[in-house]
Amino acid sequence: EAQVTQNPRYLITVTGKKLTVTCSQNMNHEYMSWYRQDPGLGLRQIYYSMNVEVTDKGDVPEGYKVSRKEKRNFPLILESPSPNQTSLYFCASNKRGFTDTQYFGPGTRLTVL
Amino acid sequence: SQQGEEDPQALSIQEGENATMNCSYKTSINNLQWYRQNSGRGLVHLILIRSNEREKHSGRLRVTLDTSKKSSSLLITASRAADTASYFCATDLTGGGNKLTFGTGTQLKVEL
Repeated sequence: EAQVTQNPRYLITVTGKKLTVTCSQNMNHEYMSWYRQDPGLGLRQIYYSMNVEVTDKGDVPEGYKVSRKEKRNFPLILESPSPNQTSLYFCASNKRGFTDTQYFGPGTRLTVL
Repeated sequence: SQQGEEDPQALSIQEGENATMNCSYKTSINNLQWYRQNSGRGLVHLILIRSNEREKHSGRLRVTLDTSKKSSSLLITASRAADTASYFCATDLTGGGNKLTFGTGTQLKVEL
């Protein structure tokens, strides 16, 4: 089944404790993105990647890192999480470009205390 | 206000009725997409309409695009309880970079 998977689905952590949210897609898509969703703000792009070893900042990259060492994986790293990073995070991938149809993962609900 | 604003913010209807949601945007676009999100889950793509198209259908969904008014509407006909979800429009802004710009969504509740 074609899908985007994320892990963990739920995470409660404390300020400053490094964490990684994994994202994997099995559709051989070149393009991958991370979004955060907050009430009243819609989805905002954090980082995106156009291919292996090619990443760039989206609208709200501060406090986040990403890597793209393999085509299928695009982990999101929070080196020192803060409470304002409490949010619902989505990974997405697509085949032809970021403005084409996006396939979303199920989401990761992160709470930073 | 944000690019891609949906209206209304919330809509409650009875099963079998039609639901209409609107999306307005501010600058020129290449295409506009509609997505559905069930509570707390990932977004699912519904339909894409390009700037040179005026209307598109997919099953019970009908999307219109009026580039002169910078607006789009999503019509769900004969709604079902399973249509209960949030609906988002997403615009590919001309010169907007490598992203879609999402609105804040319309919450649709379809009651039995």
